[in-house]
Amino acid sequence: AQSVTQLDSHVSVSEGTPVLLRCNYSSSYSPSLFWYVQHPNKGLQLLLKYTSAATLVKGINGFEAEFKKSETSFHLTKPSAHMSDAAEYFCVVSPGGYQKVTFGTGTKLQVIP
Amino acid sequence: DTGVSQDPRHKITKRGQNVTFRCDPISEHNRLYWYRQTLGQGPEFLTYFQNEAQLEKSRLLSDRFSAERPKGSFSTLEIQRTEQGDSAMYLCASSLGGPDNEQFFGPGTRLTVL
Repeated sequence: AQSVTQLDSHVSVSEGTPVLLRCNYSSSYSPSLFWYVQHPNKGLQLLLKYTSAATLVKGINGFEAEFKKSETSFHLTKPSAHMSDAAEYFCVVSPGGYQKVTFGTGTKLQVIP
Repeated sequence: DTGVSQDPRHKITKRGQNVTFRCDPISEHNRLYWYRQTLGQGPEFLTYFQNEAQLEKSRLLSDRFSAERPKGSFSTLEIQRTEQGDSAMYLCASSLGGPDNEQFFGPGTRLTVL
């Protein structure tokens, strides 16, 4: 069985300051991990994914995430927030094979001008 | 546009009625997923297909729900005898290969049961 916990339901940052969205996972297998973003009234879009290659993963729009097996974490970061980053972000775990993926409950990012 | 499409985008129905949603995946994608998303929650897995085979169903998918992907292309999700608790956004996604690959999501069908 697998699960994913997004530690913050809401995060508020000022424009130009760093972003940190936290995600912890549990999986019986070596998982693949993803971050998806959902802008208001738009479909889910992949930001980045980890699939057992480099532990530091770079995604679109300047986001990156680091897989830390010892901490079972996959936190999403960005050095400098932009107004267009305001959206909901979902951490997703996939244990691989024919197992289903599991979404976290989401973190809403607010960017203050 | 060659993305995932869903039809209808919105559906309002009365309790007890049956509804059917359609999803057209990206044409070469062999996997197709259905999710349900309620306000303030992440998408919850309902079921998925590898080509025309339905490989897994969630416990959320009660016997009132049925999904098909008859020729391994488009898929339908039917809800019989709708209940107010079925009100949600129903999302479809497709991918090429296994769950390690990116899923491409459609815009969703918003169901409101009165």
